[in-house]
Amino acid sequence: QQKVQQSPESLIVPEGGMASLNCTSSDRNVDYFWWYRQHSGKSPKMLMSIFSNGEKEEGRFTVHLNKASLHTSLHIRDSQPSDSALYLCAASKGSALGRLHFGAGTQLIVIP
Amino acid sequence: EAAVTQSPRNKVTVTGGNVTLSCRQTNSHNYMYWYRQDTGHGLRLIHYSYGAGNLQIGDVPDGYKATRTTQEDFFLLLELASPSQTSLYFCASRDRGDTQYFGPGTRLLVL
Repeated sequence: QQKVQQSPESLIVPEGGMASLNCTSSDRNVDYFWWYRQHSGKSPKMLMSIFSNGEKEEGRFTVHLNKASLHTSLHIRDSQPSDSALYLCAASKGSALGRLHFGAGTQLIVIP
Repeated sequence: EAAVTQSPRNKVTVTGGNVTLSCRQTNSHNYMYWYRQDTGHGLRLIHYSYGAGNLQIGDVPDGYKATRTTQEDFFLLLELASPSQTSLYFCASRDRGDTQYFGPGTRLLVL
């Protein structure tokens, strides 16, 4: 069983809408969370990271982290067709040699 | 942005064949990783290394060997390829800020 669970598996939102993606770790040793975005046929690229409880905002993207529940969420406001991609959540224990445990991903489709 | 290259980009082999996947990074990063990506599993770590000559075992190492010959070069070896190793393989390197940079990937088909 994967240590990092993502939901939903797929999500369809209209252009201009809000997309909300969820991620939970079952490994209580982790304390760093990452969000990577992978467009079709491309390699994953780091989107945002969060290490402290609370919220972090970068442009249209906001990440929340609740360390007590090991739950993180990514919210994309004013979604654009170019946001259509596979969103991968990853968790690590500190730097821990940089070992990341990835979830299976959420496939986001933004419809014009 | 950090540069990671992989070769070949596509590879077809037969069951029992030998395959070597190559990865090079020119970022002077210490850490390098090999992942496989399969639908429904996300990215799974095969092997990783924190420097030339070093090798660490990942989460799905069975059937794979790896070698880090230099700071720049990291190789993944499949000595007796099986159909279950058909996958998309990514190499990555990591900077001091813990961000991993991925190569373009190698698509491997084992017949």
